[in-house]
Amino acid sequence: NAGVTQTPKFQVLKTGQSMTLQCAQDMNHNSMYWYRQDPGMGLRLIYYSASEGTTDKGEVPNGYNVSRLNKREFSLRLESAAPSQTSVYFCASSPQTGPQETQYFGPGTRLLVL
Amino acid sequence: AQSVTQLDSQVPVFEEAPVELRCNYSSSVSVYLFWYVQYPNQGLQLLLKYLSGSTLVESINGFEAEFNKSQTSFHLRKPSVHISDTAEYFCAVSQGGGSYIPTFGRGTSLIVHP
Repeated sequence: NAGVTQTPKFQVLKTGQSMTLQCAQDMNHNSMYWYRQDPGMGLRLIYYSASEGTTDKGEVPNGYNVSRLNKREFSLRLESAAPSQTSVYFCASSPQTGPQETQYFGPGTRLLVL
Repeated sequence: AQSVTQLDSQVPVFEEAPVELRCNYSSSVSVYLFWYVQYPNQGLQLLLKYLSGSTLVESINGFEAEFNKSQTSFHLRKPSVHISDTAEYFCAVSQGGGSYIPTFGRGTSLIVHP
């Protein structure tokens, strides 16, 4: 089992460029999440998908879009990158929705926007 | 609304010394509490969690945390740390009857010196 995988591992963009961060899980989980991690800020939820076919905004959705392509894959798109989006992005999944669920995280994508 | 406060951003300690990482939460309903660990250049992984029952929960690598409802705390402790415990530690809370998405604290960097 690979768990949660993310591509790419690193990316450098210029302001205004677009890109898509890919995430896949092989644990047959229903729920998937995108977070960003900034120094001193902890993890902040960008978007989540409770189940295939549904997506919802999290705490910091502005400047991002998501697609739940199928049960395994959940992508995050930056349409016009800004320096404020320089961050480490983590994808996570959990078996079901619910407050008791453990989240399983990918290794992260480190994004630098110049 | 739920919130989490990790009182220390950084905790330096010598190897084999005891350590406590503090976490306080705010919630008006029943809570579920988690500690996640992030080793350098990796994603987060679950260390331990409190769902119900015994207020003292333990991890396989010697950490323990105690749920204290009256003090709204869930501090993480280890009686003797190793160099390999150097990592970022995140406390998280989710609540029954509300959003099932956990809220993460800002993290505590545990630095173990030889």
